[in-house]
Amino acid sequence: GDSVTQTEGQVALSEEDFLTIHCNYSASGYPTLFWYVQYPGEGPQLLFRASRDKEKGSSRGFEATYDKGTTSFHLRKASVQESDSAVYYCALSGPGGSNAKLTFGKGTKLSVKS
Amino acid sequence: EAGVTQSPRYAVLQEGQAVSFWCDPISGHDTLYWYQQPRDQGPQLLVYFRDEAVIDNSQLPSDRFSAVRPKGTNSTLKIQSAKQGDTATYLCASSLLRNTGQLYFGEGSKLTVL
Repeated sequence: GDSVTQTEGQVALSEEDFLTIHCNYSASGYPTLFWYVQYPGEGPQLLFRASRDKEKGSSRGFEATYDKGTTSFHLRKASVQESDSAVYYCALSGPGGSNAKLTFGKGTKLSVKS
Repeated sequence: EAGVTQSPRYAVLQEGQAVSFWCDPISGHDTLYWYQQPRDQGPQLLVYFRDEAVIDNSQLPSDRFSAVRPKGTNSTLKIQSAKQGDTATYLCASSLLRNTGQLYFGEGSKLTVL
């Protein structure tokens, strides 16, 4: 079945550091890829998505590029802030509207100190 | 616009007891999901509906879990004879079919089974 692998379980940074969270996926066909963010006591919320090879998604300074060749969708931010501290989830869904369910990775907890 | 509403926010049970979780999705959303999120893990799909029909319940432990959405609006997830392994946060999410992957999550119902 479809799966998502996030390499880092936890990441600890200082403000203005560069962030990379690695995401690799395994899926048949051409999935849509997502990054969701979850703050304490809240449900996950969509950060952005990408649905075709080489497409870049971005929001709030975060970005990721869909790479079908390496089956990756790594999350990056040039300069993190303390307010970015949260859990980040990579996820995928089936192509088009044929499969509406999301498969999530295990998440990466980002802690940013000032 | 009101978000996804879930209740209760917290439940504490002894093994063998039953509990029901209720979800009110965003008005007009045709698709409703229930996810289970164990501590420090990503959300895992239990079941999802399109209107009142179950589309996928393959990950729902059918011997003790049940979910309904009788009028295609609100939904109830019930756990009978709870086990310690059911300890998790139960997240409800809703979406529009035409906007696959953009899920709006509630705050979740945190279940502890002693």
